This record gives sequence, C-alpha cells and structure tokens, in this order.
Amino acid sequence: GDSVTQMEGPVTLSEEAFLTINCTYTATGYPSLFWYVQYPGEGLQLLLKATKADDKGSNKGFEATYRKETTSFHLEKGSVQVSDSAVYFCALSTDDYKLSFGAGTTVTVRA
Amino acid sequence: NAGVTQTPKFRVLKTGQSMTLLCAQDMNHEYMYWYRQDPGMGLRLIHYSVGEGTTAKGEVPDGYNVSRLKKQNFLLGLESAAPSQTSVYFCASSIRGTQYFGPGTRLLVL
Repeated sequence: GDSVTQMEGPVTLSEEAFLTINCTYTATGYPSLFWYVQYPGEGLQLLLKATKADDKGSNKGFEATYRKETTSFHLEKGSVQVSDSAVYFCALSTDDYKLSFGAGTTVTVRA
Repeated sequence: NAGVTQTPKFRVLKTGQSMTLLCAQDMNHEYMYWYRQDPGMGLRLIHYSVGEGTTAKGEVPDGYNVSRLKKQNFLLGLESAAPSQTSVYFCASSIRGTQYFGPGTRLLVL
C-alpha cells in the first residue's frame, strides 16, 4: 500500500540555520505529494504541494522537489525563524481525495 | 468564511460513555474526513465521505460511526468510549486534492 517515511525528530536548530526534512514514499501509480505544517495547538495547514515529477512546490521560503527517481520529496528552508517551530508532515495522495501521512517531524527553532 | 470548525474543543469521557463530535465546513466541499492523531503515528483516517448521504471506512474505523446528513456537516460518534480512543481528532474537507483541517478536538477517555 501507499506509505510515507519521514525523518524522525525532534529537530532543534538555531535561527537562520538551514533546515532539511527528508521524506520518501512508496506508492502505486503517480502520487501527488504534500507538506503540511501544524503549529502548536492548531490543525494542519497545507504548506506546499507538487503533482508531478520534477515539480517544485514553494511557500513561505520552504521548497520541496518531487523526485520520482529517488521517490523523495525533501523539505528545505535556507534560513529558519523561531516562528517556523512546528510539526511538519509529509503526505501523498494517489486518488485526489485520500491522503497518507508520515509520522511528522517536530522542529524547534531557538533564538 | 470560518473554514472548518469542530465542536467541542476538549472533552473528558468515562469508559463506556458515548459522544458525538461535530464538524462543519462553509466552503461547499464535497469530501470530508475524520482523522485521529496519536504521538509518533501521524494522522490516521477513521472515516470519510465523498458527498452528502455517503460515508466510507478509512484505516481505523472500529469503534466509530459517522453520518453526513447535510453537505456541510460530518458527525463522528463514539458509541462506547474506550481508553484507546484517547486522542486528538481532526476533521477536514477537501477540494481538488487539497485538504483543509479544523482546529481539532482533544478527547480523554478515563
């Protein structure tokens, strides 16, 4: 079945550091790939998505590129801020209405 | 435009009690979902609906029932709560593959 594996956390960084969260997937067909972010005490919000190979999703300084050859969708940000502290979820969808989520990665950014 | 709202925000139940969680969306989305979130396990799909009057089982449906009598509402019921159902429950609705989540309901079953 479809599944997502993302790097375990927690991840602790200093402000302005570079952030990478690894995500790999297993899926039949050609999935769409997503990154969702959950800020403390809130629901999940879509951060970015990519729907086909080599697409790059970007939002709020975050980027991720859909790599079919390595079945990966790693999330990156060049300079994190304290406000980026959150839980990040990688997810995939193969049928346009159901999502399979990774376990989530907790990121803490210290001033 | 409130998006997706959930009621209640927090609830404590005793084992064996029943309750209903309400989810409402004002975006006219066809698809709605109920998830549970547990530490280290991401979100797991309980039930979903692809339109008014329809429901389907997700990954972890046992112990839960749902109803979608109106397009904007999706109810999740626990008939006889168990401690294993202690979790944070999220509702979502979707359009064109993007899901929009509510703020969550934290449920503690003693």
